[in-house]
Amino acid sequence: EVQLVESGGGLLQPGRSLRLSCAASGFMFDDYAMHWVRQAPGKGLEWVSGISWNSGSIGYADSVKGRFTISRDNAKNSLYLQMNSLRAEDTALYYCAKDIQPMVPRYYMDVWGKGTTVTVSS
Amino acid sequence: EIVLTQSPATLSLSPGERATLSCRASQSVSSYLAWYQQKPGQAPRLLIYDASNRATGIPARFSGSGSGTDFTLTISSLEPEDFAVYYCQQRSNWPLFGPGTKVDIK
Repeated sequence: EVQLVESGGGLLQPGRSLRLSCAASGFMFDDYAMHWVRQAPGKGLEWVSGISWNSGSIGYADSVKGRFTISRDNAKNSLYLQMNSLRAEDTALYYCAKDIQPMVPRYYMDVWGKGTTVTVSS
Repeated sequence: EIVLTQSPATLSLSPGERATLSCRASQSVSSYLAWYQQKPGQAPRLLIYDASNRATGIPARFSGSGSGTDFTLTISSLEPEDFAVYYCQQRSNWPLFGPGTKVDIK
């Protein structure tokens, strides 16, 4: 079964840092680009960041550029999101998602985890 | 930056009725558009990609059309499980989602 399981969310104060993880199973993780997508409470979906299969291509939404860093460890079938200088507006459910096509990213997401919640509040 | 607009914001229909959802891009995205369904408390599910291709396992009652700036998701006959929020997403640059259309029961 193809599965993505996020972890690492929590409650923290503005300005602090947090690292999210996503454990993948059931597919050839190192063949696929991966993404982080977030959803603030009661709001829509916002793509946060994406990384190609070999980490050669990385992108960020303008809202997180310079503060968040995406990375992956193909040997561990894991995706990460390092979040620094957190703000109240980063409060959201963070989903890990798999790209639809191996090797060449299509930037469509066909498998999603259940998400991990990040709350930034003083 | 490309902006996606979805209409209507809410669509109230009865089971068995046809649903037509619109997504408009502020500039051409070619056919690089997807549709997702999200039910309360669940992750989104990919329905359609490249404007008209159904994702794996998606029922035939879901269809997508359009290119350039105007796109449509059609649900031919609403089933009870289809009442949800639907998002369009473009990938011409980095992925960007529209604000969503809620399909609720009339």
